[in-house]
Amino acid sequence: KNEVEQSPQNLTAQEGEFITINCSYSVGISALHWLQQHPGGGIVSLFMLSSGKKKHGRLIATINIQEKHSSLHITASHPRDSAVYICAAWGPTGNQFYFGTGTSLTVIP
Amino acid sequence: NAGVMQNPRHLVRRRGQEARLRCSPMKGHSHVYWYRQLPEEGLKFMVYLQKENIIDESGMPKERFSAEFPKEGPSILRIQQVVRGDSAAYFCASSPLGDKSVYSGNTIYFGEGSWLTVV
Repeated sequence: KNEVEQSPQNLTAQEGEFITINCSYSVGISALHWLQQHPGGGIVSLFMLSSGKKKHGRLIATINIQEKHSSLHITASHPRDSAVYICAAWGPTGNQFYFGTGTSLTVIP
Repeated sequence: NAGVMQNPRHLVRRRGQEARLRCSPMKGHSHVYWYRQLPEEGLKFMVYLQKENIIDESGMPKERFSAEFPKEGPSILRIQQVVRGDSAAYFCASSPLGDKSVYSGNTIYFGEGSWLTVV
């Protein structure tokens, strides 16, 4: 069993829809990252969370430490949001990430 | 301030050859992490290095793979006698303070990856 589980694996949405991607983890963590990876491209860290909620533009990330669960929300989705979103838990020693397998998002105009 | 620079972006090697992937961390960052993304799989941790030290190599295959981060120059991930199963994207990331940076709120920065194809 993977230490970090994401759902859904694939997601197709119409432009403008509200999108939620979920992440559950079983390891103790010191922080959790949401990463974005475009096809054939590099990885960008969108958020780092250790508690509560963060907002950046149309993106919102929340984390519930007690329930070991985090969500990434995209409001008013746009085709340029199409990418793979990866949840990554930074382990308690801070040495390494445990990665989810990613959610492939396609936003249709 | 340039980001994390990886090169080459794409590398093709024949089975049995050596592959060398380079990573220059962001300016001021002394902690480097290497990750591998196999086709159709998620990212996996390989190794964590500080200048001249390997801190955690628990994710590195025991044979053929090695990593270094010398006092001067980029970090290098070296794969000897490559096999088809080594074909993957290799990502490097850097942070300024290692695990301490997590607690201080600093984040980790990824390079754009090096795509290795073994033919």
